[in-house]
Amino acid sequence: DVKVTQSSRYLVKRTGEKVFLECVQDMDHENMFWYRQDPGLGLRLIYFSYDVKMKEKGDIPEGYSVSREKKERFSLILESASTNQTSMYLCASSLSGMGEAFFGQGTRLTVV
Amino acid sequence: DQQVKQNSPSLSVQEGRISILNCDYTNSMFDYFLWYKKYPAEGPTFLISISSIKDKNEDGRFTVFLNKSAKHLSLHIVPSQPGDSAVYFCAAKISGSARQLTFGSGTQLTVLP
Repeated sequence: DVKVTQSSRYLVKRTGEKVFLECVQDMDHENMFWYRQDPGLGLRLIYFSYDVKMKEKGDIPEGYSVSREKKERFSLILESASTNQTSMYLCASSLSGMGEAFFGQGTRLTVV
Repeated sequence: DQQVKQNSPSLSVQEGRISILNCDYTNSMFDYFLWYKKYPAEGPTFLISISSIKDKNEDGRFTVFLNKSAKHLSLHIVPSQPGDSAVYFCAAKISGSARQLTFGSGTQLTVLP
C-alpha cells in the first residue's frame, strides 16, 4: 500500500521562527511536491522536485525553501514564519510520467 | 490566473440522487484530468481520471465526462451516498511535464440522508 507520511498533523509556531515540515514516501517515486490548501483557493503548488537535489518553484514559492537530500524525503522550510503562512500543508509524490499523485495526511500549521 | 476553475463552492444533493460536479479549464495544453476527494483533516485521495483521447471514463458509481471543445469536465456520482460528502477537487496536467497537477478551488458536496 502506497504511503506518504508527513511528520506532524498539527503545529503551532511563533512569528519569525524557522519551521521545518518533513515528508517521507515509501514508493520510490521520483517526483515530490509541496502544496498549501486555503479555503476558496484550492491546492496551490509551492515547490516540487523531480530528482534528488533538484527543485523547481511552483506558483507561490515566496517565503519558502525546500530540501531533497534523499529520494524518499522532501522537506519544506519556512525561513521566518509569518501569520499569512497559517494553512494546511500537503505533501505528495508521483512516478515520472504518471498522472496520479499520492498525498500525505496534511499538516495544519498555525503561526501566531 | 486560475487555469482550472470550479465555479460552485458547494453543492447539496439528496441521498440516492445524482451529484454533478463541474470543472472548467483554460490551458489547451492540459491532456490529463483527475478528480480527488478530500475529507477534513486528511490528504486528498485519488478518485478517477480521464485522458484527453477519451470523452468518458466510468468506475462504479463515478463517471467523468470530458468535453474538449468546451474545455469542460464533469464528475457524476450516482447514486449519491452520505459518505460521499467531502470536498472534490478537479485537477489537470500536461503529460510528460514534471510540474504535475494544477488544481481547482474545490466543491464541497453534501449528501443529505
